[in-house]
Amino acid sequence: NAGVTQTPKFRVLKTGQSMTLLCAQDMNHEYMYWYRQDPGMGLRLIHYSVGEGTTAKGEVPDGYNVSRLKKQNFLLGLESAAPSQTSVYFCASSYSAGEAVWSNEQFFGPGTRLTVL
Amino acid sequence: GQNIDQPTEMTATEGAIVQINCTYQTSGFNGLFWYQQHAGEAPTFLSYNVLDGLEEKGRFSSFLSRSKGYSYLLLKELQMKDSASYLCAGLDSNYQLIWGAGTKLIIKP
Repeated sequence: NAGVTQTPKFRVLKTGQSMTLLCAQDMNHEYMYWYRQDPGMGLRLIHYSVGEGTTAKGEVPDGYNVSRLKKQNFLLGLESAAPSQTSVYFCASSYSAGEAVWSNEQFFGPGTRLTVL
Repeated sequence: GQNIDQPTEMTATEGAIVQINCTYQTSGFNGLFWYQQHAGEAPTFLSYNVLDGLEEKGRFSSFLSRSKGYSYLLLKELQMKDSASYLCAGLDSNYQLIWGAGTKLIIKP
């Protein structure tokens, strides 16, 4: 099993350009998440999905859009990139999110390092 | 809301023991997770605590006191490969993980 994979690994954009980050998981997990990680700050949730066809906003959703057309894939889009979106982006998945604490364990992809000039 | 605090950086010696503390403030709490993150890599799961007490997993142990809003990760017999950031995350009332900024652990020979 590959677990959680992300493409691309690195990307440089110019301000105003758009791009899509792809996340895929082969663990049949219901929940998927997009985070950004910046120096000195914790992982911040951008958007998440509780199942195919559903998405919800996290802590820092502005400037990003997501789609979950298939259970195994979760796409993160930047419509008009800004330098403030320079960050490392992590996708994660979990079996579910609920009272069975073990099911909340999140599995992470290797990350995408994005620079916006 | 929820707030997770942990030290920014710690230094320890190879072969020694180190304790990384995490305090949390939350209006709802369902568990406490610890992850390890090597530089340039993804976070990987270490342990979780739901009830008070100590959970041991080999050289790593995690402790929780819900009444004090406090947890720690204990690493024994430190090895150079333990040099990494350790992330504390609280599971809030909506079963979302709220992450601390991480503690960078530097191991010296």
